[in-house]
Amino acid sequence: QKEVEQNSGPLSVPEGAIASLNCTYSDRGSQSFFWYRQYSGKSPELIMFIYSNGDKEDGRFTAQLNKASQYVSLLIRDSQPSDSATYLCAVRGRGSTLGRLYFGRGTQLTVWP
Amino acid sequence: GAGVSQSPSNKVTEKGKDVELRCDPISGHTALYWYRQSLGQGLEFLIYFQGNSAPDKSGLPSDRFSAERTGGSVSTLTIQRTQQEDSAVYLCASSPAITGELFFGEGSRLTVL
Repeated sequence: QKEVEQNSGPLSVPEGAIASLNCTYSDRGSQSFFWYRQYSGKSPELIMFIYSNGDKEDGRFTAQLNKASQYVSLLIRDSQPSDSATYLCAVRGRGSTLGRLYFGRGTQLTVWP
Repeated sequence: GAGVSQSPSNKVTEKGKDVELRCDPISGHTALYWYRQSLGQGLEFLIYFQGNSAPDKSGLPSDRFSAERTGGSVSTLTIQRTQQEDSAVYLCASSPAITGELFFGEGSRLTVL
């Protein structure tokens, strides 16, 4: 089983702040990385994916990937209370496990007004 | 609806009984996944189907678990002789291809008494 590690949190930030969520992975050859958001009692939904080293921005969200350090992060700018959720990092398998997506345990984020 | 549909949404059963969980994926999606999520835990991969290829069953936790996908569409996850440790939310997801961009259903919450 591929290892995907996340700080379990909880992470608590005030409204308007930047929330930083971190994830490390064990397979150096991994190529595809995903961030899912899961509201309490709901199913995960994809918010971003990143394949190349560097930053990828989508609105208030920025995904950062550093393959050399086996590290992927998600920054949420101007955090809103509606961003309060658990954020799941996921890494796609490769080779015989190409179709599999390995998830971390998630980081719970609370944004307080 | 256009999303992934799962049934039942809730199932309470007695230890030792068999249960069947159903998943109807998004039309046209060739990949279908089953994950389970226990309270406070991450997503545990169970099985995935891709087109007409043999399914990747390597995540099934025991031979009491089985799944099939008929006609490349609807899937059924069967748990025989349920145990209390099988209690979890069983999530089905589909994808247009094995890209890692999964669309999840609302899940089936299984409680084994």
